[in-house]
Amino acid sequence: ILNVEQSPQSLHVQEGDSTNFTCSFPSSNFYALHWYRWETAKSPEALFVMTLNGDEKKKGRISATLNTKEGYSYLYIKGSQPEDSATYLCAPTTNAGKSTFGDGTTLTVKP
Amino acid sequence: NAGVTQTPKFQVLKTGQSMTLQCAQDMNHNSMYWYRQDPGMGLRLIYYSASEGTTDKGEVPNGYNVSRLNKREFSLRLESAAPSQTSVYFCASSEIDYGYTFGSGTRLTVV
Repeated sequence: ILNVEQSPQSLHVQEGDSTNFTCSFPSSNFYALHWYRWETAKSPEALFVMTLNGDEKKKGRISATLNTKEGYSYLYIKGSQPEDSATYLCAPTTNAGKSTFGDGTTLTVKP
Repeated sequence: NAGVTQTPKFQVLKTGQSMTLQCAQDMNHNSMYWYRQDPGMGLRLIYYSASEGTTDKGEVPNGYNVSRLNKREFSLRLESAAPSQTSVYFCASSEIDYGYTFGSGTRLTVV
């Protein structure tokens, strides 16, 4: 089991604010990193998969970056909306195919 | 729609009763997983199956058994339910390059 840390644990922002949060993971034996969005009373859904150092992915107002050498990824949300409220999970995968989920960052966007 | 089908969605058991949670995927994924999610905690891995015919313990296997019936199906059995097993259970399948696809969850209450 990898030591995966996500920070902050929770975040409250106003509608329209931009925000970001961090996923830290061991850089050794890295293969890929997945981000998931998990809404209350639903199941987690994949947002991004990233594999290369320096990768940047974007989907609408959400983007993510990856630094495999130092073992971290940032998730950014520009102009947060109430519908962005969810828990965001990261899951690094080793080259042996083992994935570990972080505990997530829970984002609440107030109208 | 392609995905992971998990049944039942809700279940109430009395302490000591047994039950089996069923999971099937139609994406031809090799790996399948069972997680539990408790309030204030992230996803905790109960058991996983890296391929048909193999199963391995995760972080919290005590009180559970699993069967990988074929490539599509992976079931989780509680032989003698305990109140500590009250949780939301998620089945998932994955391929290393594509991340995890989750079922819709089973909300289990043991009284």
